Amino acid sequence: DSGVTQTPKHLITATGQRVTLRCSPRSGDLSVYWYQQSLDQGLQFLIQYYNGEERAKGNILERFSAQQFPDLHSELNLSSLELGDSALYFCASSVGSSGQYEQYFGPGTRLTVT
Amino acid sequence: AQRVTQPEKLLSVFKGAPVELKCNYSYSGSPELFWYVQYSRQRLQLLLRHISRESIKGFTADLNKGETSFHLKKPFAQEEDSAMYYCALLSGSRLTFGEGTQLTVNP
Repeated sequence: DSGVTQTPKHLITATGQRVTLRCSPRSGDLSVYWYQQSLDQGLQFLIQYYNGEERAKGNILERFSAQQFPDLHSELNLSSLELGDSALYFCASSVGSSGQYEQYFGPGTRLTVT
Repeated sequence: AQRVTQPEKLLSVFKGAPVELKCNYSYSGSPELFWYVQYSRQRLQLLLRHISRESIKGFTADLNKGETSFHLKKPFAQEEDSAMYYCALLSGSRLTFGEGTQLTVNP
């Protein structure tokens, strides 16, 4: 167990809807990363927050947004959902902002859009 | 743009046989590479990184800048090595992952 928690484990929703995925980092970690793992795109980096501020951005759609709160937990908001958004969403955390710090992954949230 | 390629989606070997999981990368800067592993029903975890030049669970990986490769090797595979392996390249603070190789070690 890496200490990173994600809720919910599974989420089933309809196209056009909006969902929020939650991630709690390991105690003491200031960085949170979000990744999307889908069958056709593989494991892709979405966005990184460090101590409440956006630090790096990857292939994140405009329909998606994220934030990190003062208690350092993070939420990934997905709106106007499409079938292609069905994927496993991972969160990871690390102590520092640089990628050289080991990233510890959560168990993921499996999103199914019907 | 950076890119990581793992040419084998599936790799099957017998216990005790050598194993090599291939990883090639494309990156204009000085690369920093990692191998991550995901065992069945477990979360993704770091296996090793090239800068530490260490051996973890008998696995080693050498960065070959001439061939732009970072292959993962183990001389004698064990059944517990069966897992999904991902090669990843660090750029800034973002990791770019390959598509992964599912390794099965048969008894």
